[in-house]
Amino acid sequence: RKEVEQDPGPFNVPEGATVAFNCTYSNSASQSFFWYRQDCRKEPKLLMSVYSSGNEDGRFTAQLNRASQYISLLIRDSKLSDSATYLCVVIDFGNEKLTFGTGTRLTIIP
Amino acid sequence: EAQVTQNPRYLITVTGKKLTVTCSQNMNHEYMSWYRQDPGLGLRQIYYSMNVEVTDKGDVPEGYKVSRKEKRNFPLILESPSPNQTSLYFCASSLLSGQEYYEQYFGPGTRLTVT
Repeated sequence: RKEVEQDPGPFNVPEGATVAFNCTYSNSASQSFFWYRQDCRKEPKLLMSVYSSGNEDGRFTAQLNRASQYISLLIRDSKLSDSATYLCVVIDFGNEKLTFGTGTRLTIIP
Repeated sequence: EAQVTQNPRYLITVTGKKLTVTCSQNMNHEYMSWYRQDPGLGLRQIYYSMNVEVTDKGDVPEGYKVSRKEKRNFPLILESPSPNQTSLYFCASSLLSGQEYYEQYFGPGTRLTVT
């Protein structure tokens, strides 16, 4: 089993819809979680950190479920500009390991 | 402007010819790392550095070397490149305070082709 798994998609979603995707991790000792966004052939950029209590930033909501070992990202009222690949990142402080998921590709359709 | 720079951005080389990809950050970050990104495999960490003169292997270190002689620079060295090292490479840096990891800032990427 991969350490960090994401559904690669692609997800094709109409503009204005709500879309959610998950990222599962195998190491229960993982302690920090992030979502990054990567546009085609560009560098990844931080979208948001994921806190234990869940957190929201505008149209984006991130959740952490430690019992089931996954994090989720919800995008409401999706815009054309949300089209990108979304990468989850899991950090294990114990072995200083930082692991990226392979990414979920999202395309918003007009 | 706070940034991570990489050079060159594009490189085509031949098998066995040593090359260096430079990485520099101007944010006084302690943590720096190198990743390669391949289709279907995502970003995989090659090497990382917690501070000057402190480097460690990531998930795919074979065929690569790094050094961290200064805080701002973290070059990636391929002593004898092979075609399976054809990839998109990213350098990244971040603050590191105790066990707290902060946002990773990525360079623009270096697309390497080894023939």
